[in-house]
Amino acid sequence: SQQGEEDPQALSIQEGENATMNCSYKTSINNLQWYRQNSGRGLVHLILIRSNEREKHSGRLRVTLDTSKKSSSLLITASRAADTASYFCATPVAAGNKLTFGGGTRVLVKP
Amino acid sequence: NAGVTQTPKFQVLKTGQSMTLQCAQDMNHEYMSWYRQDPGMGLRLIHYSVGAGITDQGEVPNGYNVSRSTTEDFPLRLLSAAPSQTSVYFCASSYSIGTPYGYTFGSGTRLTVV
Repeated sequence: SQQGEEDPQALSIQEGENATMNCSYKTSINNLQWYRQNSGRGLVHLILIRSNEREKHSGRLRVTLDTSKKSSSLLITASRAADTASYFCATPVAAGNKLTFGGGTRVLVKP
Repeated sequence: NAGVTQTPKFQVLKTGQSMTLQCAQDMNHEYMSWYRQDPGMGLRLIHYSVGAGITDQGEVPNGYNVSRSTTEDFPLRLLSAAPSQTSVYFCASSYSIGTPYGYTFGSGTRLTVV
């Protein structure tokens, strides 16, 4: 079973709008990571948030983490067509030696 | 360019054949992993390594072998290919699980077993 689960599974928005996706996980973590995958490509690391952090920003990305609810959210502000991709959350398990991924959120940004 | 290199990019195998997917990184990363990605399933961990000479199983290890004789290389061997192993395979590496730079992924190997 997967450690992280993203919601929604798919999201369609207009260029310029914000996109929000959520990740829930099952066990305690020391960090949570978000990745982007463009069609047919490998995953690209976007941002890592540690368990003692509640919010982190990187450019147009904003990530929050609520360890009491075992959930995280990724917000992409002022979306662009180039943001069209699948987004995955990932968490380390098994004493930190395994990185497990959720099923991803497919984001379509329409021009 | 520094990064993770996977070869081949595409491969077609017949059922029962064996092959090795190659993965090499030049960033002196200790952690390396193999994932498979199937439609609607996300990424599933096959095997991983925390350093040369040390490997362990992930979620879906059956039918695959790995070894880590050097820091740079982490090949994945399919012992007897089956149609269920048709997938896209990704190799990834990292300094550590908690590094702010996360994992670096290769561009993938698309494998079809007929």
